[in-house]
Amino acid sequence: GIQVEQSPPDLILQEGANSTLRCNFSDSVNNLQWFHQNPWGQLINLFYIPSGTKQNGRLSATTVATERYSLLYISSSQTTDSGVYFCATGGGNKLTFGTGTQLKVEL
Amino acid sequence: DAGVIQSPRHEVTEMGQEVTLRCKPISGHNSLFWYRQTMMRGLELLIYFNNNVPIDDSGMPEDRFSAKMPNASFSTLKIQPSEPRDSAVYFCASSLSFGTTSFYNEQFFGPGTRLTVL
Repeated sequence: GIQVEQSPPDLILQEGANSTLRCNFSDSVNNLQWFHQNPWGQLINLFYIPSGTKQNGRLSATTVATERYSLLYISSSQTTDSGVYFCATGGGNKLTFGTGTQLKVEL
Repeated sequence: DAGVIQSPRHEVTEMGQEVTLRCKPISGHNSLFWYRQTMMRGLELLIYFNNNVPIDDSGMPEDRFSAKMPNASFSTLKIQPSEPRDSAVYFCASSLSFGTTSFYNEQFFGPGTRLTVL
């Protein structure tokens, strides 16, 4: 099956800093999502982005499907951004999740 | 609009007991997914349904696990008998999937059920 790798595995930021999270996948896909799992365990949809670029406030994402990677940008980070960020992708209806990036934003 | 609803939110049971987890997908969605999250294995797909029909159950760990979707607004995941290694958070997700050449399938997750088997 498809392999999904995320980097970095852990990230500590000072409030106000910017960061880039990366997701590499091993096969062509028609389905890619970024999620934020907050400290209470909820999986929050950030982006549905099988290709192209999208922006939502301080967050933006880019997927280059031909090169099999996606990037999530977080600008002006806030403590509420803390949690785990997952990339999930695949073909058809199935999603395979990466192992996530654990982000901690400190004051 | 209500999102995906799961019940119970927490379940503590003893080894050997039957456990039933419930899910109500978002109204109008035609696909439903059951996932399990553990520290060791991360988030993994167990089974998914399309138009109430099971399409892929290759992620179901063993025969002790079964899932049903009797109608478009309800699904269950049953574990019988339960074992301590089944302890995990179980998520249900739903999507409105359509298209072939231009495919759309954004999945939305419920709050999860935290299962502890003693």
